[in-house]
Formats: sequence, C-alpha cells, structure tokens
Amino acid sequence: EPEVTQTPSHQVTQMGQEVILRCVPISNHLYFYWYRQILGQKVEFLVSFYNNEISEKSEIFDDQFSVERPDGSNFTLKIRSTKLEDSAMYFCASSGVRGGAEQYFGPGTRLTVT
Amino acid sequence: GDSVTQMEGPVTLSEEAFLTINCTYTATGYPSLFWYVQYPGEGLQLLLKATKADDKGSNKGFEATYRKETTSFHLEKGSVQVSDSAVYFCAPYFSGSARQLTFGSGTQLTVLP
Repeated sequence: EPEVTQTPSHQVTQMGQEVILRCVPISNHLYFYWYRQILGQKVEFLVSFYNNEISEKSEIFDDQFSVERPDGSNFTLKIRSTKLEDSAMYFCASSGVRGGAEQYFGPGTRLTVT
Repeated sequence: GDSVTQMEGPVTLSEEAFLTINCTYTATGYPSLFWYVQYPGEGLQLLLKATKADDKGSNKGFEATYRKETTSFHLEKGSVQVSDSAVYFCAPYFSGSARQLTFGSGTQLTVLP
C-alpha cells in the first residue's frame, strides 16, 4: 500500500540554524500539506501546496518557513532560523485530485531546537 | 468562523465497554468530516470519513454518522479493546475561506484489560 514517508525521523538543531524536513508524498497525489504538533497539543495546519505553489497557509507559516517541491517526488519544509518554539512533530500529508479528499499522513519528523 | 469542538479527555474504559467521543463543528458550508487516530509513538492514521449528511463512516468497528441537523460527527465503538488505546482526533475539512483540515484537541483513550 502506498504511503507517505518522511526523513529524518528526529532532527536536533541549535537555535538560529536552518533545517530542512523532507517528505515523499504518495506518487499520484497532487495536493501536499505540512502540519505540526507541539508536544501534548493539537495538530495545527501550516501550509498546503498544489501545482507548484502555496494554496493556503496559516498564521504560523511566517517568513521563516518555506516549502518546495524540488523534483517530482520530494516535498520539503525549510525553517530558516529555528527558534525554541519551533520544537514540535512535523507531519507531511498528501491527498488525491480533490483538495477535500482524505489526507494521508507520514510518520512525522520530531524537531528539537536547543 | 469555521471551528471544531471535541470532547475533552482523557477517557479510561475497561475492555469491551462502549465508547463515545463527541465532536461538533461550526461551518458556513458543509465540510467533509474525518476521524484520525494516533497510536503511541506513531503518526496520524485516517480512521474513517463521511462527506455528506447522513453518511456513516466505519472502520475497525468504529462508526460515526454525519449529522447535519446537530452539526456533529460523534465517534462510537460498541466494544473497545486494549489495542484501541490511542489519541483520537476529529478533523473537519472546511471548504470555505480556509480550505484545510482543522483538528480537534484530541481525546486520549486508554482501555484497561
């Protein structure tokens, strides 16, 4: 069964450093998403991406964040200058043709900013 | 605006007990409705869905019915197992101004043998 994969599973970085989180969505999906979950809190939407551009983004997704689909398979989230409060689990998701269809999530990347 | 309210946890049940986790939403339109489950140490898995009024989603013994009149999508299971211990998230997809999955606060379920 196709699945969304994410790397790395755990990333530790120092405050102020840049990090790139990687995702490989399900191959025939066209909509891609990033969410985050701060420990013990709810899952929050960050950004959606379709046709090589951002479709929607939340207030959390400020200028420190960017997304890219550098090739036909990867979908990346970059945080330019990490802050302590960026520590969270980051989930990538993808969905099929319709944006409102079910989204399939990857296992997540735990980001720890020290 | 569009929002979701989910029953607070944690919920602790004995094996074979009946489970209900309440979820209600406020929406300007008619969202698609999803339940996701997060097992300990794992990511989010789609549990079930319903896309229009009166639809019933079901999977692994869990059920939820899209109730337009009460704007609810309560999750139920007739007989829970220890392996059902997880965090459950109600997640409407609102198709209005903010087209995104909006997750409820999550309900931690612990099933005791």
